[in-house]
Amino acid sequence: DVKVTQSSRYLVKRTGEKVFLECVQDMDHENMFWYRQDPGLGLRLIYFSYDVKMKEKGDIPEGYSVSREKKERFSLILESASTNQTSMYLCASGTPGQGVPGANVLTFGAGSRLTVL
Amino acid sequence: AQTVTQSQPEMSVQEAETVTLSCTYDTSESDYYLFWYKQPPSRQMILVIRQEAYKQQNATENRFSVNFQKAAKSFSLKISDSQLGDAAMYFCAYRSPNTGNQFYFGTGTSLTVIP
Repeated sequence: DVKVTQSSRYLVKRTGEKVFLECVQDMDHENMFWYRQDPGLGLRLIYFSYDVKMKEKGDIPEGYSVSREKKERFSLILESASTNQTSMYLCASGTPGQGVPGANVLTFGAGSRLTVL
Repeated sequence: AQTVTQSQPEMSVQEAETVTLSCTYDTSESDYYLFWYKQPPSRQMILVIRQEAYKQQNATENRFSVNFQKAAKSFSLKISDSQLGDAAMYFCAYRSPNTGNQFYFGTGTSLTVIP
C-alpha cells in the first residue's frame, strides 16, 4: 500500500515563526500536493508538484512556499506564520497516466493540524 | 477552475438503512474522473469509489455505489446497509486530465450513523 507520512500530527507555533511541514511518500509517485482543510470550505489546493524541483501554485498559495528536492519528499513552508493559517494541512501523492494501477487516485497523509497563536 | 458542489453539509442515517449523498460539478470537459473520499473522525482520508466519465456503467464497491449522470453533471454516492463505521466526512472530487493533475474537492458532507 502507498504510504504518505506527514512528519507532525499537531503543531503549535507563534505568529511570525517559520514553519516547516514535511511529507514523504514511499511509492515513487510523480505528483505531490498540499491542501488546506477548513470547516465549510472543503479542501483547497495550496501547491502541487509534478516532478523534483517543479512546483505549481494552487488556489491559495499566498503566504506559503514549497520545496521538492527529492521525489519522495514535499515540504510546505510558512515563512512567517499568521493566525489565519491555523488549519489542518493535508499532503497527498498520486500518479498520472492511463492504465496504471492506482493512477489518477490521490493517497493522503494523516494530516497536520497547525495552530498559530 | 472546475467547481464541485455538495449541497448537504450534514446527513444522518439509521444503521442498516440506505443513504444517498449528492454531488454536482461544473465542467466543459468531456473526459474526467470523479471520486468519493471518506474522512473518518481524526483519521486519514481514504478513497471510497471512483468513476471515469467515459464509462457509462456506474461504479460499485461492495455497499457503495454511484449514480453518475453525465448530462446532468451529477455524481451521487449511495451507501447501502449503513454501518457505524461509515460515519465520516465524505468529499466529492473531480479531476481533469487537462489541468496539471489538479483535483477539485467539494465542501464535504458529514454523515452520522444512528444505532
